[in-house]
Amino acid sequence: AQTVTQSQPEMSVQEAETVTLSCTYDTSESDYYLFWYKQPPSRQMILVIRQEAYKQQNATENRFSVNFQKAAKSFSLKISDSQLGDAAMYFCAYEDGSEKLVFGKGTKLTVNP
Amino acid sequence: GAGVSQSPSNKVTEKGKDVELRCDPISGHTALYWYRQSLGQGLEFLIYFQGNSAPDKSGLPSDRFSAERTGGSVSTLTIQRTQQEDSAVYLCASSSLLAGGPNEQFFGPGTRLTVL
Repeated sequence: AQTVTQSQPEMSVQEAETVTLSCTYDTSESDYYLFWYKQPPSRQMILVIRQEAYKQQNATENRFSVNFQKAAKSFSLKISDSQLGDAAMYFCAYEDGSEKLVFGKGTKLTVNP
Repeated sequence: GAGVSQSPSNKVTEKGKDVELRCDPISGHTALYWYRQSLGQGLEFLIYFQGNSAPDKSGLPSDRFSAERTGGSVSTLTIQRTQQEDSAVYLCASSSLLAGGPNEQFFGPGTRLTVL
């Protein structure tokens, strides 16, 4: 079965600094998608960024970018110029056409002013 | 509304009672998902609907849990004879399931269930 591991239960960053959240996954599939979701205290899960496994180019969305290493099965999220509104739980997720998302246990990000 | 909505937002019930949780997906989304988020357990997949059919019920933890979807829209998750371990946030998501594309799921705000 596919598994997703987030090894950092908690992380903190100073406002305006850069932070990287780690994610590794295990799969025998060659085609799949990876996602980072943000969950603020309101509980609403919000998609931050996604990556198609067949694309070598790392996805970027404004201040958010990923470092996708397919061979290493690693999918880290980099947040640049961190803002107070970035404080939330961040979940890494995997999907391979089975329709369901497999999530990691999450990383709680604190942004210090 | 534009997003996925869920009701109630919070539900407190006594052990042994039945509860129903409701999800209204984004209009036009054919796929609907239920997940459970327990403290320390992350998000667990429960069930997935394509239209009114449920091709994958593999995540339902016991036969006390059931779900249905009517008219390809609203879904209800029912938990019978609730137990304290059922306490969790129940999240619903919907997706348009574009062929060959990423299954981008849009989530509702969840229902927090507390079983006393």
